[in-house]
Amino acid sequence: GQQLNQSPQSMFIQEGEDVSMNCTSSSIFNTWLWYKQDPGEGPVLLIALYKAGELTSNGRLTAQFGITRKDSFLNISASIPSDVGIYFCAGYSGGGADGLTFGKGTHLIIQP
Amino acid sequence: DVKVTQSSRYLVKRTGEKVFLECVQDMDHENMFWYRQDPGLGLRLIYFSYDVKMKEKGDIPEGYSVSREKKERFSLILESASTNQTSMYLCASSVTRWGGELFFGEGSRLTVL
Repeated sequence: GQQLNQSPQSMFIQEGEDVSMNCTSSSIFNTWLWYKQDPGEGPVLLIALYKAGELTSNGRLTAQFGITRKDSFLNISASIPSDVGIYFCAGYSGGGADGLTFGKGTHLIIQP
Repeated sequence: DVKVTQSSRYLVKRTGEKVFLECVQDMDHENMFWYRQDPGLGLRLIYFSYDVKMKEKGDIPEGYSVSREKKERFSLILESASTNQTSMYLCASSVTRWGGELFFGEGSRLTVL
């Protein structure tokens, strides 16, 4: 299957800081998705991106579909304690469910 | 509130036991999925189903089987559990076949001793 490189693997930040994470691939994707998994829960969809260059916001979260279609970025502004969790990117290249590839996740930890 | 419910949050089984993980969704979705989540490996697709009595292999189907007798229910079966199947198992459903906007359950954490 296709590979997604998600970075950083983990982030230790102070409350109030901005956060940036990204996913890159050598393959082109038609759709990019960002999920968040709270501790002890299943992932929840945050943002879906369907067009190259698209920039979409959801509250303090902003995600972008890279113009080359090989990458995507997620930014969180002014982090708060409930932002703690694992953030997953996922890229869809076409076909059926096996065309959806998940990144390995970015573990966000907020220090008081 | 729409929901995907997994029957067991935590299970401990012995090597060689048969294990059933049950998943029910109330959104009338045709498409259901089983993923496995391991630290450092992300989410990997085990099996998926587009319709009742229909199943397709994902990326890591070895050692697993599934059953979809009713639209709302999708079961994952480990015929003979092994220690390398110790993991978090996530069930999901979706309106789309490709599973893009997935609704996940809370997960079932399985430990095989």
